[in-house]
Amino acid sequence: DQQVKQNSPSLSVQEGRISILNCDYTNSMFDYFLWYKKYPAEGPTFLISISSIKDKNEDGRFTVFLNKSAKHLSLHIVPSQPGDSAVYFCAASAWGKLIFGQGTTLQVKP
Amino acid sequence: NAGVTQTPKFRVLKTGQSMTLLCAQDMNHEYMYWYRQDPGMGLRLIHYSVGEGTTAKGEVPDGYNVSRLKKQNFLLGLESAAPSQTSVYFCASRPSGGINYEQYFGPGTRLTVT
Repeated sequence: DQQVKQNSPSLSVQEGRISILNCDYTNSMFDYFLWYKKYPAEGPTFLISISSIKDKNEDGRFTVFLNKSAKHLSLHIVPSQPGDSAVYFCAASAWGKLIFGQGTTLQVKP
Repeated sequence: NAGVTQTPKFRVLKTGQSMTLLCAQDMNHEYMYWYRQDPGMGLRLIHYSVGEGTTAKGEVPDGYNVSRLKKQNFLLGLESAAPSQTSVYFCASRPSGGINYEQYFGPGTRLTVT
């Protein structure tokens, strides 16, 4: 039973446009949600997080939105750049451990 | 500051062979984790440690053992490798006082079992 799901395996957007990556979860006990970015042959790197008591967190071009009633979060990247092309994982924190989604591969075309 | 390092970067094993993956961190973090990443599966937690001398099972612990004899090192062992253990293995660490549970990852070890 997958507690954190990223239902879109891939997403392709044009440079300069908005990228929206989605994530759904099932467990209402999660207290933090995180997004990680991963380039090929490298480890995941932290991007942005949001507490379960907030509904939005912004850091430069990256904004994460949390809809607790729908158990859904999304990552918005505006404007998208070719260097943003990577695999993006959402993760949820419970009891000090992270549970990861399957990942979404983002391709930003010049 | 090297962060989290993993040794080796690549390894090919035959079925039934054993090996140990080493993870080292120089950030004085209390918590350390071992994950495996498989296509379409995301990262799944194998074992973790909340401090020196402690270990606990994660989501997919079968076929693996771990040890945390020193705070900075976390070892993952495969006693009798199986083709199903072909994967990319990531180690991560985090401090005990972090506000958002952010984990810092190593570069990964690509393991192939034939």
